[in-house]
Amino acid sequence: AQSVSQHNHHVILSEAASLELGCNYSYGGTVNLFWYVQYPGQHLQLLLKYFSGDPLVKGIKGFEAEFIKSKFSFNLRKPSVQWSDTAEYFCAVIRSGAGSYQLTFGKGTKLSVIP
Amino acid sequence: DTGVSQDPRHKITKRGQNVTFRCDPISEHNRLYWYRQTLGQGPEFLTYFQNEAQLEKSRLLSDRFSAERPKGSFSTLEIQRTEQGDSAMYLCASSLGNRHNEKLFFGSGTQLSVL
Repeated sequence: AQSVSQHNHHVILSEAASLELGCNYSYGGTVNLFWYVQYPGQHLQLLLKYFSGDPLVKGIKGFEAEFIKSKFSFNLRKPSVQWSDTAEYFCAVIRSGAGSYQLTFGKGTKLSVIP
Repeated sequence: DTGVSQDPRHKITKRGQNVTFRCDPISEHNRLYWYRQTLGQGPEFLTYFQNEAQLEKSRLLSDRFSAERPKGSFSTLEIQRTEQGDSAMYLCASSLGNRHNEKLFFGSGTQLSVL
């Protein structure tokens, strides 16, 4: 079964700082990768996803993520964070082409942005 | 508002009681998923439906848990003889399509507390 590791439990940044959240997955086959975000008091929502093509994917609110197959990684980045980016971020993976539609999530990284 | 509704928002029950949660997905979505999330963890897959058919269940889902989606619309998740370890946020999500990279739309969840 696949697993997802998120390296940081809690990240604290000042506004305008750059962000990189690490994500590694364990499955060696073809995968689809996702970042979901949960803002305080809100439901989980999709930030961006990768399934094929250009390994650099762009999502909403200026976020991007790079899929590096050789490193089994899908790190999330943003050049300049805002206070409104304060949220919990979850990396997730699903095996492509397998019979399963089970999305496996990491434990999440809580991001706090200080104004 | 994602359009996925869950009821109730909160449920407090005594150990040994049965509880039932309801999920109303976005109306045209053919897939419906149940996840469970505990503090400090990411969502954990429980089961999913394609229309009314339950196609996959997690190995972690004990036989005290049962889910239905009788007409391919709303779904219910029942937990029999609840245990304190069942305390968690139960999340429902829905999606449209048949590919592995579909976006999941999550509800706000039902928070279960077993005393």
